[in-house]
Amino acid sequence: AQKITQTQPGMFVQEKEAVTLDCTYDTSDQSYGLFWYKQPSSGEMIFLIYQGSYDEQNATEGRYSLNFQKARKSANLVISASQLGDSAMYFCAMKNNFNKFYFGSGTKLNVKP
Amino acid sequence: ETGVTQSPTHLIKTRGQQVTLRCSSQSGHNTVSWYQQALGQGPQFIFQYYREEENGRGNFPPRFSGLQFPNYSSELNVNALELDDSALYLCASRGGLFDGYTFGSGTRLTVV
Repeated sequence: AQKITQTQPGMFVQEKEAVTLDCTYDTSDQSYGLFWYKQPSSGEMIFLIYQGSYDEQNATEGRYSLNFQKARKSANLVISASQLGDSAMYFCAMKNNFNKFYFGSGTKLNVKP
Repeated sequence: ETGVTQSPTHLIKTRGQQVTLRCSSQSGHNTVSWYQQALGQGPQFIFQYYREEENGRGNFPPRFSGLQFPNYSSELNVNALELDDSALYLCASRGGLFDGYTFGSGTRLTVV
């Protein structure tokens, strides 16, 4: 079965500190893509970062980086220098070789001033 | 500012009715996918269209169907609505193979 697991329902981080949101995935596909999305309380999903299964380097986008450990099937999101506006739900997602998407249950991040 | 717009933003329907939700993607976005997100849960993949053909489907019954049009708009149709269909419905589109998907703000459907 293919699925995404996010084991942290909620996380707190102090403003300006770094935080890691965990994500593990389960697939037997060789080719797949991993995504992270941010969902503020307003409801829209905001694309943050993408990692392809064949990418050898970890993806980075500004303050976001993806710690991709293929052998462990983990794709943790690292947010550096947290800001108050980072408070939101964060979803890890995987697209498999058959264009099916799987989302995790999300992690609610609260950034404290 | 998102390039994907969804309409309507909110909708209330009665059990057994049919509903059509609409999504307008950015120009050049040939791939569109639809999701159902129940309150407090992650989105569940319904299906994906590429150039007007369905090319991926999640575990949803046939009463969930879709269309994609040449003008980068798409529809999600749900027949015989059930109370459990109450959710936020999101569409997402992308242009290139390695682009991230851009989501719309969603349509919140309530079935009573």
